[in-house]
Amino acid sequence: DIVLTQSPALAVSLGQRATISCKTNQNVDYYGNSYMHWYQQKPGQQPKLLIYLASNLASGIPARFSGRGSGTDFTLTIDPVEADDTATYYCQQSRNLPNTFGAGTKLELK
Amino acid sequence: EVKLVESGGGLVQPGRSLKLSCAASGFSFNDYWMGWVRQAPGKGLEWIGEINQDSSTINYTPSLKDKFTISRDNAQNTLYLQMSKLGSEDTAIYYCARGTNYGGYSGWGQGVMVTVSS
Repeated sequence: DIVLTQSPALAVSLGQRATISCKTNQNVDYYGNSYMHWYQQKPGQQPKLLIYLASNLASGIPARFSGRGSGTDFTLTIDPVEADDTATYYCQQSRNLPNTFGAGTKLELK
Repeated sequence: EVKLVESGGGLVQPGRSLKLSCAASGFSFNDYWMGWVRQAPGKGLEWIGEINQDSSTINYTPSLKDKFTISRDNAQNTLYLQMSKLGSEDTAIYYCARGTNYGGYSGWGQGVMVTVSS
């Protein structure tokens, strides 16, 4: 299985930039696409797709969210951070079966 | 609007079976892959498996393949998860999710809680 590694937590100030990383132990690129996706999950709610194929903004997601990366290293950036962004962020790969998720990064405000 | 509503959860004794349902609306159900993801209390997301549009392809995470069965009824716009030989490690919120061509999940239900306990 592909293992996705995320830092457990990140604290940033309102209006600043948050950069959340996700590293995989295998390449998740295939024919020009990186099969990496990002989700936001607020307490008591279901996950919400933010970014798909590493850098594409999902429908209805504000442009403050962006993703980049390829191969085995990926980042989700939130700039500027707003109070409503307090949540846990998960990366997910769909390059190989079984699909796998990172353990999540909890974003907190300083 | 994509709407997914899970049902069938609750308290179940160890070793027993349980079948979850996910009613879909707001989109053409038979055009999409569908999947199940679970989340143990206070833990992260775990992919259970997925099923394609005509049920000809079903994929599972290996550790659950012998316990869980995914199916769908396109006429009823409903996704199912049959769970057997349940143990305490299966206690979790179970989410159904709408798949995409690239393997991500673009719509999620609110989840249903399954508690395995005597």
